[in-house]
Amino acid sequence: DTEVTQTPKHLVMGMTNKKSLKCEQHMGHRAMYWYKQKAKKPPELMFVYSYEKLSINESVPSRFSPECPNSSLLNLHLHALQPEDSALYLCASSQERRGQGRRNTEAFFGQGTRLTVV
Amino acid sequence: KQEVTQIPAALSVPEGENLVLNCSFTDSAIYNLQWFRQDPGKGLTSLLLIQSSQREQTSGRLNASLDKSSGRSTLYIAASQPGDSATYLCAASGGGADGLTFGKGTHLIIQP
Repeated sequence: DTEVTQTPKHLVMGMTNKKSLKCEQHMGHRAMYWYKQKAKKPPELMFVYSYEKLSINESVPSRFSPECPNSSLLNLHLHALQPEDSALYLCASSQERRGQGRRNTEAFFGQGTRLTVV
Repeated sequence: KQEVTQIPAALSVPEGENLVLNCSFTDSAIYNLQWFRQDPGKGLTSLLLIQSSQREQTSGRLNASLDKSSGRSTLYIAASQPGDSATYLCAASGGGADGLTFGKGTHLIIQP
């Protein structure tokens, strides 16, 4: 099973709303990622979790708040977003093996959440 | 900082042709290079992963090569089909859980 599941598939929210995006994988991967993709652009890295700890925050505004409750789940909490935050939000996972001279391998992506901020 | 470039940005060819998509990267200290396919409005589907110690990988009609010293990778698609129409992205990883750096993609159209 190489599936990364994201919910919801589509989300429309107002600028004063609070919502959450969810991501789940059962491949035993210990690295999980959030990417943002605007139309006709490549994905851009937002956050990286390694062994359930936030390891990379690519200077993302605080209105985006990631959370990794356990090794299979990754959430992205949204609050007070702006219309320019409308995009496809992609979750990904990969293995990360520490201390074995082998780092992250193949990355698997979910189908994304299409977010529209109105 | 790693930069990834893909050429061409768009390509339209008749069905049945063999074609090559190009990817270049500025920092040769990559751990792996991954090729993805993305259909409109969808997520990314992994096609091939090449570890830095490898020269090429094959899956069906797809073959990807990697030349770290020159900072280049190519994706070869044999006997193209209309179903191959999509955007193809290459992405470089520096190792560890540091995420991927993507090129802007090649938008491929296979004409029936």
